[in-house]
Amino acid sequence: EADIYQTPRYLVIGTGKKITLECSQTMGHDKMYWYQQDPGMELHLIHYSYGVNSTEKGDLSSESTVSRIRTEHFPLTLESARPSHTSQYLCASSEPGIGVLNEQYFGPGTRLTVT
Amino acid sequence: AQTVTQSQPEMSVQEAETVTLSCTYDTSESDYYLFWYKQPPSRQMILVIRQEAYKQQNATENRFSVNFQKAAKSFSLKISDSQLGDAAMYFCAYRSPNTGNQFYFGTGTSLTVIP
Repeated sequence: EADIYQTPRYLVIGTGKKITLECSQTMGHDKMYWYQQDPGMELHLIHYSYGVNSTEKGDLSSESTVSRIRTEHFPLTLESARPSHTSQYLCASSEPGIGVLNEQYFGPGTRLTVT
Repeated sequence: AQTVTQSQPEMSVQEAETVTLSCTYDTSESDYYLFWYKQPPSRQMILVIRQEAYKQQNATENRFSVNFQKAAKSFSLKISDSQLGDAAMYFCAYRSPNTGNQFYFGTGTSLTVIP
């Protein structure tokens, strides 16, 4: 399995709470991604980063924010959780290089439930 | 953004039989990469097989092979000698060399393997 980790794996939290989902990888990958995935549904890219101090929003609008202070760490934060944020959040990373056949390595996911 | 379509939300196959999962995509690019990912229940998403668009030869990985039809923009996955461990969600993904390393995923196909 890939060396990419997410914590917590499961989180149930009340509305209005601030939460941070952790993602770290030990492969030295520059590129990292956050996807949101409802059960049995497709993945939607919400954030990505091409390196330290680089963050971009993905195709799906999200109220979450991300930071990339260290290469190996790409946390996602929700300042005020709402029930509409209930979903699974997948973190991924990939090797550098455009035009190279690079796969994305996925973490195990965080299943978030906001009550 | 490119679109990836998986028209089969659910598929089932008898153990030891062969099943084909379909995937079509929409793009105006001539060079790109295609992937099939497998997401077992409550487990990490992993890469099954990948294909470079400029290679006419279909990729093969053990029991997994693809039928890549570039003109038809079709990229189906064939699983031979299906095993119980093949039960999972399968996602088709497209990656463009022109948009960094951004992947576009289909909606997934849930595969059930019947003993």
